Amino acid sequence: QQQVKQSPQSLIVQKGGISIINCAYENTAFDYFPWYQQFPGKGPALLIAIRPDVSEKKEGRFTISFNKSAKQFSLHIMDSQPGDSATYFCAASSAQGAQKLVFGQGTRLTINP
Amino acid sequence: AAGVIQSPRHLIKEKRETATLKCYPIPRHDTVYWYQQGPGQDPQFLISFYEKMQSDKGSIPDRFSAQQFSDYHSELNMSSLELGDSALYFCASSLAQAPTNEKLFFGSGTQLSVL
Repeated sequence: QQQVKQSPQSLIVQKGGISIINCAYENTAFDYFPWYQQFPGKGPALLIAIRPDVSEKKEGRFTISFNKSAKQFSLHIMDSQPGDSATYFCAASSAQGAQKLVFGQGTRLTINP
Repeated sequence: AAGVIQSPRHLIKEKRETATLKCYPIPRHDTVYWYQQGPGQDPQFLISFYEKMQSDKGSIPDRFSAQQFSDYHSELNMSSLELGDSALYFCASSLAQAPTNEKLFFGSGTQLSVL
């Protein structure tokens, strides 16, 4: 049973456009929601993260929007660049779970030049 | 900055053989996590250690065992290998003090191929 559901599975965006990836979770004990970026043959790299006490967090071109009541959060990549082409994973963790990450299924993002 | 180091980078084994994967966490990090990622799949949590003690356990087969040593490096031992064990195995580390305990840093992984 997938505890964190991610969509879409794949996404193609034109250079300069906005990439949006969505995630939903069920476990209300989750209290930390990071996004990881993974290039082929590499380990996931932490991109940006949010806690449920805020509704939005922005770092450069990357923004997380968080809706606690709907148990949903999303990643927005503004001015998408070809170098952003990678697989993106949302994840969730809780102190109860020894902070182990539960990942979404991943989104393969392709930015066309 | 030093990152999580995993070895070997690639490993090829036959069915029913054993394999040992090693993980060296970021200096001063006291928590290690092991994940398994199949092709096109999301990473699945296997097991974690804090201060050399197992802190959590996920979908790790009984054929696998792991431990964390006094220098905080960790080893994942896999026996009676099966074709389905072929995957990327990632190690991640963190420093178990809030809020840093939430930030997991991943190594580049070990690609295990079982033939």
